[in-house]
Amino acid sequence: IAGITQAPTSQILAAGRRMTLRCTQDMRHNAMYWYRQDLGLGLRLIHYSNTAGTTGKGEVPDGYSVSRANTDDFPLTLASAVPSQTSVYFCASSLMTGGNSPLHFGNGTRLTVT
Amino acid sequence: GQNIDQPTEMTATEGAIVQINCTYQTSGFNGLFWYQQHAGEAPTFLSYNVLDGLEEKGRFSSFLSRSKGYSYLLLKELQMKDSASYLCASVDSNYQLIWGAGTKLIIKP
Repeated sequence: IAGITQAPTSQILAAGRRMTLRCTQDMRHNAMYWYRQDLGLGLRLIHYSNTAGTTGKGEVPDGYSVSRANTDDFPLTLASAVPSQTSVYFCASSLMTGGNSPLHFGNGTRLTVT
Repeated sequence: GQNIDQPTEMTATEGAIVQINCTYQTSGFNGLFWYQQHAGEAPTFLSYNVLDGLEEKGRFSSFLSRSKGYSYLLLKELQMKDSASYLCASVDSNYQLIWGAGTKLIIKP
């Protein structure tokens, strides 16, 4: 089934640990995104990639890094987790950047940093 | 600054009609999206408007007024499965999405 797969579904992580959230899509979409969703706030963009080999910073990039080695994969790494990074993380993709290309979302990763 | 406003929560009755409003202030405008998000699930695409007017898709319609910076999502013949959060997102001049916090819609029998 075509779509976006995120792993893990949920994770409890000790502060200071390193963690990589995985995201894979099989729709051959050019653009990919990482968002975090916190109660009472809109989705906030962490990092994005318009095409394989390029990445850019979103609204809240500090403490996170990404890579886009190929079209399908877009992992998000927390180098040293802090409690404020407790959130639900959504990976998304779109056929192209901008305009009327809707986002397709993965099912999310619920991360708790203790 | 850029801002999207939508009501935090709304309640409606099964079978009725509900209108969820969204006002936006963004640097430039390249369209507006509506997404549906059931609790614990991913957002899913509902509609996209870039021209003024009403776009109808079955029980759901979306309206845009660019001059007023205003959009609404209209849901008709409400069903219990329509209980969800509805997210409004404006596309700014850099083609970045600016998201509202979402409107939680509660449907009562």
